[in-house]
Amino acid sequence: QVQLQESGPGLVKPSQTLSLTCTVSGGSISSGGYYWSWIRQHPGKGLEWIGYIYYSGSTYYNPSLKSRVTISVDTSKNQFSLKLSSVTAADTAVYYCASKTYYYDSSGPTALFQHWGQGTLVTVSS
Amino acid sequence: SYVLTQPPSVSVAPGQTARITCGGNNIGSKSVHWYQQKPGQAPVLVVYDDSDRPSGIPERFSGSNSGNTATLTISRVEAGDEADYYCQVWDSSSDPVVFGGGTKLTVL
Repeated sequence: QVQLQESGPGLVKPSQTLSLTCTVSGGSISSGGYYWSWIRQHPGKGLEWIGYIYYSGSTYYNPSLKSRVTISVDTSKNQFSLKLSSVTAADTAVYYCASKTYYYDSSGPTALFQHWGQGTLVTVSS
Repeated sequence: SYVLTQPPSVSVAPGQTARITCGGNNIGSKSVHWYQQKPGQAPVLVVYDDSDRPSGIPERFSGSNSGNTATLTISRVEAGDEADYYCQVWDSSSDPVVFGGGTKLTVL
């Protein structure tokens, strides 16, 4: 069973870069089959997809955040990371890492998030 | 971009049936996935591909999808089902990952 765990600072100053790492256990990040994703949830709000990376390094970002987001992978450590630059108070949220499975069914291509980390609250404040 | 619309809240008495809708343009042509999120916890997949259940999810959870509306149905609702529920689709023509705004299920 794949398990994910986020880690990183819980407090970031405005204009700085938010950095989080997700450690994957119970499976190899290089085994394929999953796209390693970041999702956030503003306090009391819904889920917002940030982006994902394949073990090969291929990435795809939410267009609304693309200019500030970098997701990278370290297969040797079985980890992937998120960097969000120039943060403001609007980036205060719980950040989740998750595994995205992409496949084809009778309706065509689809994707879902099967495994999630417990989430980590990041507050942007001076 | 593709938009999924959910009612903000649904209330139901214990033992009754809860129906949570997810509206989207021709959503019946897409696969819909549903997540349950209890306070302070990460989301959990409860229904995928419109109506399938992951292992460990009670049969009380079911789903359907047709036309412009997908529905998550929870039969014989229990107090432990109180949570936020989110629908999600993949839309390759726009922002590929789309979540609905979420519905808070209250068990009276």
